[in-house]
Amino acid sequence: SQQGEEDPQALSIQEGENATMNCSYKTSINNLQWYRQNSGRGLVHLILIRSNEREKHSGRLRVTLDTSKKSSSLLITASRAADTASYFCATASGYSTLTFGKGTMLLVSP
Amino acid sequence: DADVTQTPRNRITKTGKRIMLECSQTKGHDRMYWYRQDPGLGLRLIYYSFDVKDINKGEISDGYSVSRQAQAKFSLSLESAIPNQTALYFCATSDPLRGEQETQYFGPGTRLLVL
Repeated sequence: SQQGEEDPQALSIQEGENATMNCSYKTSINNLQWYRQNSGRGLVHLILIRSNEREKHSGRLRVTLDTSKKSSSLLITASRAADTASYFCATASGYSTLTFGKGTMLLVSP
Repeated sequence: DADVTQTPRNRITKTGKRIMLECSQTKGHDRMYWYRQDPGLGLRLIYYSFDVKDINKGEISDGYSVSRQAQAKFSLSLESAIPNQTALYFCATSDPLRGEQETQYFGPGTRLLVL
């Protein structure tokens, strides 16, 4: 069963706007990761945030983690058409596997 | 990621046929995974292997089997394919012991259609 649930399921914005997607999970975690998937291709790791971290940045990406609410958000600033993709959160619990959410489809229009 | 390759990239087969999907990696990672992706359901874990002698069932292992032939190779078999196994299949690798937490590196996927 999915641990993470992304919200919204789909998001459509214009180039230059910011895109925010959220992830909620159910059990305690060691870390939470975000991945991007371009249509029909393999997932690419974007960023990892540990359970003792609250915010992390990587280029135009900003991730926050609120362990009390069991939620995370991914912010993409100044979006570009090339950011069009599906974005998945994945949670790591223990020392074994990742559990992926169902993803948010982001469409960035020129 | 060219470090993780999957063959074939596309496959059409018939119900009842045995089919094998292969994954190879040059990253030197011990851990390998097989997932399937269905529209609207995200990725679900089928099997995973932490080293050559270790095989573990994932969330949806029924109807599938795996073989870890070497550190670099992890194969997924459908013994008797059925239409609801039509999906996009991904192989992934990771190596937490190298300080990368559980970051996973994915292959390009195999699109399987079972008629």
